[in-house]
Amino acid sequence: KNQVEQSPQSLIILEGKNCTLQCNYTVSPFSNLRWYKQDTGRGPVSLTIMTFSENTKSNGRYTATLDADTKQSSLHITASQLSDSASYICVVTGNSNSGYALNFGKGTSLLVTP
Amino acid sequence: DTEVTQTPKHLVMGMTNKKSLKCEQHMGHRAMYWYKQKAKKPPELMFVYSYEKLSINESVPSRFSPECPNSSLLNLHLHALQPEDSALYLCASSQHRVTGELFFGEGSRLTVL
Repeated sequence: KNQVEQSPQSLIILEGKNCTLQCNYTVSPFSNLRWYKQDTGRGPVSLTIMTFSENTKSNGRYTATLDADTKQSSLHITASQLSDSASYICVVTGNSNSGYALNFGKGTSLLVTP
Repeated sequence: DTEVTQTPKHLVMGMTNKKSLKCEQHMGHRAMYWYKQKAKKPPELMFVYSYEKLSINESVPSRFSPECPNSSLLNLHLHALQPEDSALYLCASSQHRVTGELFFGEGSRLTVL
């Protein structure tokens, strides 16, 4: 069964600090991995999308890594801001009999405090 | 700001009402999706349209009826809903169904009384 596990479930950090969120998956065969940021009550917004051959991708203060061998990804947030408070969702795309499937993690809830 | 527009942002309806959620995108994407999201849970796929044809229906009850009038529009018709159907309904689109990056709308918050 294709699974996407995220850790930690929730995280509280002080403004200005760095943090790293983890995503482990068992989706196979693998197509791509995406990180989304979702503010409460709003739609998810894409941060990065990574394919098999990409190890690192940055988007401003967000840096995602992917190790396709160990099936692990991380999202590193540098110099956190209050506006980073949100849920961060890892989504892994795999190919299924129906063509393709998006597998969502349960998300990590991040709270940045002053 | 998202380029996928959903209306209405909030909807309250009774169990005997008929209402519709609407979604529009003008990015030329050929795949559009409906997701349902309960509080503190990830989005759950409901329907996928590819080139205006329904390609995936994740065993959604018939009280939810999707419609894709053209490549830019996606509707979700609601009838005889239950209180447990209350959730955030997200529309998304992508260039292609397999590899395209998903762009989500802001969502429609549905409350069924």
